[in-house]
Amino acid sequence: GENVEQHPSTLSVQEGDSAVIKCTYSDSASNYFPWYKQELGKRPQLIIDIRSNVGEKKDQRIAVTLNKTAKHFSLHITETQPEDSAVYFCAASGLSGAGSYQLTFGKGTKLSVIP
Amino acid sequence: NAGVTQTPKFQVLKTGQSMTLQCAQDMNHNSMYWYRQDPGMGLRLIYYSASEGTTDKGEVPNGYNVSRLNKREFSLRLESAAPSQTSVYFCASSAGTGPSYEQYFGPGTRLTVT
Repeated sequence: GENVEQHPSTLSVQEGDSAVIKCTYSDSASNYFPWYKQELGKRPQLIIDIRSNVGEKKDQRIAVTLNKTAKHFSLHITETQPEDSAVYFCAASGLSGAGSYQLTFGKGTKLSVIP
Repeated sequence: NAGVTQTPKFQVLKTGQSMTLQCAQDMNHNSMYWYRQDPGMGLRLIYYSASEGTTDKGEVPNGYNVSRLNKREFSLRLESAAPSQTSVYFCASSAGTGPSYEQYFGPGTRLTVT
């Protein structure tokens, strides 16, 4: 099955700096890569996603890049703010043995933005 | 719309007890999922239901059973709880199980097994 590795596990940045989180995946057939943000005690919420036919996608201060050849994708947050502090999860969507698509999640990155 | 709801929010069980976690969605979604979240482990899929009437195992199904009661509701049962099942459980739903459907998560159930 799919295996998703996520790095780093913790990341501290000064307010206003950029943050980058990287993920690799194993299944070359995976074709959808969402990123979820989870604030303390809350549910995960989708913040951005990218499909395999696109190399980069941007939404205001966040962007995601995908390199299908190398099987890695990254989340970039610019001009970080204290409210960006949370745990971020990457995921890859691949075909399961039962014939439907499942998300496999990375283990998460705890981002702390220091005012 | 309430989205995805879960009950209870918190639960403490003794080893060997059983319980059912309830999940409901009001978005007319076809697919529903149960995940567990443990510190440093991310979200791991326990079971999912691609559509009403079907269920399939995920990555960590041992010790759990599920029921897709109807299109709205998907329950997770622990028949004989073990301390290793102490975790936060999230239910999620999506419009389908195609490669790029967004999953919407419920608020979670924090379960402690002593």
